[in-house]
Amino acid sequence: TQLLEQSPQFLSIQEGENLTVYCNSSSVFSSLQWYRQEPGEGPVLLVTVVTGGEVKKLKRLTFQFGDARKDSSLHITAAQPGDTGLYLCAPISGNTPLVFGKGTRLSVIA
Amino acid sequence: NAGVTQTPKFQVLKTGQSMTLQCAQDMNHNSMYWYRQDPGMGLRLIYYSASEGTTDKGEVPNGYNVSRLNKREFSLRLESAAPSQTSVYFCASKRLAGGPNEQFFGPGTRLTVL
Repeated sequence: TQLLEQSPQFLSIQEGENLTVYCNSSSVFSSLQWYRQEPGEGPVLLVTVVTGGEVKKLKRLTFQFGDARKDSSLHITAAQPGDTGLYLCAPISGNTPLVFGKGTRLSVIA
Repeated sequence: NAGVTQTPKFQVLKTGQSMTLQCAQDMNHNSMYWYRQDPGMGLRLIYYSASEGTTDKGEVPNGYNVSRLNKREFSLRLESAAPSQTSVYFCASKRLAGGPNEQFFGPGTRLTVL
């Protein structure tokens, strides 16, 4: 059974601060997705990383896939209140359904 | 395109009542999924349908049944609701079951069982 951990579980920061959240697995996976869920809505895909060591940038968000393809991180630069939400990672392995981590709940205070 | 739609948005049931949650997607996706989301537990897979005509159990299938009515529609039924089934239910769809394609979610159904 794959163990998937996201940390921290909760994070409350001031607008303008930087932060990093982590997704760690006990297994190797072919690729990984990050989703963001805003209050009262379903999750929405932010990025898919597919190559070990890959770094992808989405405006102020930087996603990194570990060299061993067992972990990933999401770094937000100069956080804004609009970044508030639940950040979920989901490793992809073959045809099995997505299994989501419990997420990091981020609150950015203006 | 509406994407993934779910009905109802809110529902209150008494213990023992039954109900069906409806889900439809208009993106011609092959795979559809039902998740439940509880505080501190993340999204847990209940059932999924990798393609039209197939359904499989996920992590927490007990107390639920599903029907893949056609390619567009995937319903979730609670035959005898229990307070432990109070949760937010999300339906999702993907073009293909495998590979790094995007999974689209509906807005959720907030269910309370008294």
